[in-house]
Amino acid sequence: QVQLVESGGGVVQPGRSLRLSCAASGFTFSIHGMHWVRQAPGKGLEWVAVFSDDGSNKYYADSVKGRFSISRDNSKNKLYLQMNSLRGDDTAFYYCAKENLGAASGFDYWGQGTLVTVSS
Amino acid sequence: EIVLTQSPATLSLSPGERATLSCRASQSVSSYLAWYQQKPGQAPRLLIYDASNRATGIPARFSGSGSGTDFTLTISSLEPEDFALYYCQQRRNWRVTFGGGTKVEIK
Repeated sequence: QVQLVESGGGVVQPGRSLRLSCAASGFTFSIHGMHWVRQAPGKGLEWVAVFSDDGSNKYYADSVKGRFSISRDNSKNKLYLQMNSLRGDDTAFYYCAKENLGAASGFDYWGQGTLVTVSS
Repeated sequence: EIVLTQSPATLSLSPGERATLSCRASQSVSSYLAWYQQKPGQAPRLLIYDASNRATGIPARFSGSGSGTDFTLTISSLEPEDFALYYCQQRRNWRVTFGGGTKVEIK
């Protein structure tokens, strides 16, 4: 069955860096666009970044542009999010999600999330 | 950026009642709209994609409609497990956005 498992979260000081990973299984990873979505505690969902299935498109939310970088390794079925210059408002659960293949919208599978806390 | 506005923020209803949730886009998103349900401590679950298609395993009491800028999620008869948060999401382009959410609570 499809599984997405995030890791790499934790407590980090403002200005420092952290790299999140998302291990995918149960589907053909290389043909799916993959996203990162975050949710601050008690708040709504905020899209963070996308890495397209063909690797030609990477886009970021304005709030993270220039600080975060999304990448993927199709040989390892892994998605990454490199987060630099972290700020307090980056504190959130970070989810990876796969696009709904064959549809124009919707993320049909999500990981359980990993919590990033930015605090001194 | 395409802004999605969900209304109402909170919907207080009883089991068995009909729930109607609205999502309005700041510009046309065609039919590139999805709906999610989220319960406390859980990841979002896809309910509806492409405005009106139920995702795998989603009960028939959930339905979506609309196109362009105005969309509706309808739950025909609320079951106890349907009391949760609901989000809409547009995918008109690569830069996805979510609405602020509607909480469906027990009256």
